[in-house]
Amino acid sequence: DAKTTQPNSMESNEEEPVHLPCNHSTISGTDYIHWYRQLPSQGPEYVIHGLTSNVNNRMASLAIAEDRKSSTLILHRATLRDAAVYYCIPSSGGGADGLTFGKGTHLIIQP
Amino acid sequence: NAGVTQTPKFRILKIGQSMTLQCTQDMNHNYMYWYRQDPGMGLKLIYYSVGAGITDKGEVPNGYNVSRSTTEDFPLRLELAAPSQTSVYFCASTPRDSYYYEQYFGPGTRLTVT
Repeated sequence: DAKTTQPNSMESNEEEPVHLPCNHSTISGTDYIHWYRQLPSQGPEYVIHGLTSNVNNRMASLAIAEDRKSSTLILHRATLRDAAVYYCIPSSGGGADGLTFGKGTHLIIQP
Repeated sequence: NAGVTQTPKFRILKIGQSMTLQCTQDMNHNYMYWYRQDPGMGLKLIYYSVGAGITDKGEVPNGYNVSRSTTEDFPLRLELAAPSQTSVYFCASTPRDSYYYEQYFGPGTRLTVT
């Protein structure tokens, strides 16, 4: 699995956009980039994934660098409920070997 | 759908005791997983299953056993509990035919071994 580097923590204000970076310089050509988040005392939940093109869904946007060695998860208007640990996970998918979670980024939202 | 359910939510075990953590999903997913999460760390894969009757070891299987007799259930067994097994345990499932797979996680079981 590709090694990832994420900031340990980030802080943002409510109702402002948040950009969460992830470096994955050893990513393989077939790896999708997945983002999960974990709210306090809960199991992880899927946020978004992508391969090469930028992706949008109701929760967030994912911007992927042209060389695919980094990506950025964008929360367009953070709410207090977005306070969580965010994990960036490159994975080829379709396999049975689970996901490799690093320590992620602890996102703190100030009211 | 209830999704992925886990019981119990909390448990305290004495060293050497045994217990089974239950996991059930009602989404007809073939793939199921057990992870553990130590404080301040990410999740580590213990065991996984690609379907009924098929299980395999993940990154940290020592001290655990699993079985998969039905599509819905994937229990995790601790035979001789040790303090190193104090952790939060998460069960997850995913559809078989997703090339990219979204894993659905249960709420977790917080286990303390003293």
